[in-house]
Amino acid sequence: NAGVTQTPKFQVLKTGQSMTLQCAQDMNHEYMSWYRQDPGMGLRLIHYSVGAGITDQGEVPNGYNVSRSTTEDFPLRLLSAAPSQTSVYFCASSYSGGRATEAFFGQGTRLTVV
Amino acid sequence: GESVGLHLPTLSVQEGDNSIINCAYSNSASDYFIWYKQESGKGPQFIIDIRSNMDKRQGQRVTVLLNKTVKHLSLQIAATQPGDSAVYFCAENQETSGSRLTFGEGTQLTVNP
Repeated sequence: NAGVTQTPKFQVLKTGQSMTLQCAQDMNHEYMSWYRQDPGMGLRLIHYSVGAGITDQGEVPNGYNVSRSTTEDFPLRLLSAAPSQTSVYFCASSYSGGRATEAFFGQGTRLTVV
Repeated sequence: GESVGLHLPTLSVQEGDNSIINCAYSNSASDYFIWYKQESGKGPQFIIDIRSNMDKRQGQRVTVLLNKTVKHLSLQIAATQPGDSAVYFCAENQETSGSRLTFGEGTQLTVNP
């Protein structure tokens, strides 16, 4: 059981390019989320999902899209990359209900937009 | 807006000493308060959580204390080890929000041999 797997680990984009960050979990978790972490700061929620077919916006959703067609996968799409999106992106998953606080995080994707 | 934040950005302790990491929060509606540990180059890792109707919870070498009167949360690590060196984040969760976590800014704990 691999847990939460994010790909790629590193990516450099030019301003205006689009790309998809992949996230997959094999724990059959209902909840999945995307966070970004800027230097010296905590994590901020971008989008989240409480189950397949259901997504919602978090604290900083602008410039990002998500979909949840399966329980396992939760890709994050950058529509038109901007330097302000340079960050480390973390995907997380958890069970629903009282166990939602124990989130399992991937290793992160370090994205640089030039 | 309401947020979860930390008093001190860095904490340095001697190996074997006890560590106390503090967190102030402002959202009285939070149902859970959680501590995460993040080692360099890795994603955060769950340590322990506490429900808002409790004031203390213990785990293996860790204790979380919640003081709702002054909206303060702390993580105590007993007999701190070099492997405890990391950034520690407090976070809060409301049950009605599902898995949404609101994180504080983090405290860098350094354990000196």
